[in-house]
Amino acid sequence: EAAVTQSPRNKVTVTGGNVTLSCRQTNSHNYMYWYRQDTGHGLRLIHYSYGAGNLQIGDVPDGYKATRTTQEDFFLLLELASPSQTSLYFCASSAQGSTGQLYFGEGSKLTVL
Amino acid sequence: QQQVRQSPQSLTVWEGETAILNCSYENSAFDYFPWYQQFPGEGPALLIAIRSVSDKKEDGRFTIFFNKREKKLSLHITDSQPGDSATYFCAASAQEGGSAKLIFGEGTKLTVSS
Repeated sequence: EAAVTQSPRNKVTVTGGNVTLSCRQTNSHNYMYWYRQDTGHGLRLIHYSYGAGNLQIGDVPDGYKATRTTQEDFFLLLELASPSQTSLYFCASSAQGSTGQLYFGEGSKLTVL
Repeated sequence: QQQVRQSPQSLTVWEGETAILNCSYENSAFDYFPWYQQFPGEGPALLIAIRSVSDKKEDGRFTIFFNKREKKLSLHITDSQPGDSATYFCAASAQEGGSAKLIFGEGTKLTVSS
């Protein structure tokens, strides 16, 4: 069973604060993704990666940085958090990129006050 | 700009009925269309997928119908069960060009009443 673990599961910060969301996969997958989920918008792609050291820009990248330190670990960084970034964030991994199955984590709920 | 659109936003059916969830897309290059199912408090999980060379894909009670000319597809859930109550996401990607981006629609929240 493919495993994707996110932390923290819940985070509250203030406007202007720094936040790091972590994602680890034990599937030996090359591809990893960060999505945000908002009512009325579905899942929107923030950043993704083909492998360690690689970073690709998604569809809603403004205000977000990401870093893929190893094949297993993918981090999402919010350096100056804003209330508009209050959302549910999902990490996913895939062996075959977008034409293969994505395995999602359980999500990280971020609230920016 | 939403490249993948779903309708309706929410749908309620009775147990045993067929639920029909609709999806449309804009990019003619899209050639792979998975549907993901999400239960509250969980991440989405792949339910069923179709490639553009096919016009129908079945897996038990779940069937995708695909119309390439109209850029539309639909997910039919026959004999709906209360356990099917979830949010369903249509997604799309283009294999050509090597893109690894999977684009999701807004989702349809399905409630099956008993």
